[in-house]
Amino acid sequence: EVQLVESGGGLVKPGGSLRLSCEASGFTFSNFGLNWVRLAPGKGLEWVSFISSSGNYIYFADSVKGRFTISRDNAKNSLYLQMNSLGAEDTAVYFCARDGLAVFGFLHHYYMDVWGKGTTVTVSS
Amino acid sequence: SSELTQDPAVSVALGQTVRITCQGDSLRSDFASWYQQKPGQVPVLVIYGKDNRPSGIPDRFSGSRSGNTASLTITGAQAEDEADYYCNSRDTSGNQYVFGAGTKVTV
Repeated sequence: EVQLVESGGGLVKPGGSLRLSCEASGFTFSNFGLNWVRLAPGKGLEWVSFISSSGNYIYFADSVKGRFTISRDNAKNSLYLQMNSLGAEDTAVYFCARDGLAVFGFLHHYYMDVWGKGTTVTVSS
Repeated sequence: SSELTQDPAVSVALGQTVRITCQGDSLRSDFASWYQQKPGQVPVLVIYGKDNRPSGIPDRFSGSRSGNTASLTITGAQAEDEADYYCNSRDTSGNQYVFGAGTKVTV
């Protein structure tokens, strides 16, 4: 069964740090890009970060650029999100999501086809 | 980055058809993918590409695109379709994903 399992969430004080992990199983981890997506209370889904299959390409949402880093260990089938300088606005459920690709002629269309159950991050004093 | 605009909410009678739209410049060069999320649950991919459904998604869900607007249509809505629906695409730079704000569908 294709599966993503997040961990590492918890309660952290403003200005603090947290490291999230996402462990994959049931597919060839090193063949897929991966994303972190979050859902804040009362808000909509927000894409946070992407890392390519090899780790060579990394992108961040403007809201977390400079504070969050993303990495992966293909030998351990694991994805990570290091979150620093956390604020209340980072309170959310964080999901990891696998990047899927469909090709339509010259158009490469990316989507998120497998999601983990999420891990909750609460930033509060 | 670019934005995707969705109507906040729409209601549909049981068994009727509802169309949810998503507008944005990125959709002129990319398709939207659509995600269903029920309270407390994980987002589920329901449509990607031209009009592609992942395995297990009922065929009452369909997608289309015209110009800068993508649409998700539920033909014969069921009670279990009540959820938030989000559109998503890569932005015009190709370096970020962007989600619409979501449409709450009430059946």
